[in-house]
Amino acid sequence: EAGVTQSPTHLIKTRGQQATLRCSPISGHTSVYWYQQALGLGLQFLLWYDEGEERNRGNFPPRFSGRQFPNYSSELNVNALELEDSALYLCAMLRDRAGTDTQYFGPGTRLTVL
Amino acid sequence: AQKVTQAQTEISVVEKEDVTLDCVYETRDTTYYLFWYKQPPSGELVFLIRRNSFDEQNEISGRYSWNFQKSTSSFNFTITASQVVDSAVYFCALSDPYNQGGKLIFGQGTELSVKP
Repeated sequence: EAGVTQSPTHLIKTRGQQATLRCSPISGHTSVYWYQQALGLGLQFLLWYDEGEERNRGNFPPRFSGRQFPNYSSELNVNALELEDSALYLCAMLRDRAGTDTQYFGPGTRLTVL
Repeated sequence: AQKVTQAQTEISVVEKEDVTLDCVYETRDTTYYLFWYKQPPSGELVFLIRRNSFDEQNEISGRYSWNFQKSTSSFNFTITASQVVDSAVYFCALSDPYNQGGKLIFGQGTELSVKP
């Protein structure tokens, strides 16, 4: 069974640009979570999508947004990029939309903002 | 508020030594889940174990073992006879699916270095 996949692996942008990160699910996994791992800040919850709807978001500004498609894949969009957005962005998927299942992570997208 | 504390930022051991990674959590909820993940240099988080708050049985999986004690709010992870391939950052995490929708709250991670 294939795991969660993310693309691109690396992304380099300049300040003020927009970045789009993608996450593709494991078969049968319908809920998707996004996390940011910035240097010195640890792993922080960003967004949770289920059934195409945003269900919860962490303490991040509105320029972080996303969506979930009918095939349960997901995009994370970051507008007006700032230097501190440089981080590893991880998506995780699980089968149980209530969140009681285990989250399986993709390999991450490393975003660098210059 | 929920919180996970991994007080050990870095641990360095020599191969074949046993090592214990500490994890202390805070939550007011009675139903919650605890996790350990391994993050090798590649960056991907690899799932190791999940425990729910009602299951205090310790678990052993090969060289890995976990000690869950609700009385001290701890969920410690021991690697027996460590190997170089165990070198990674290890994260303890807490989720409260019935109130927080399953988001994971991570500790700061413990970087384990196993030297040959």
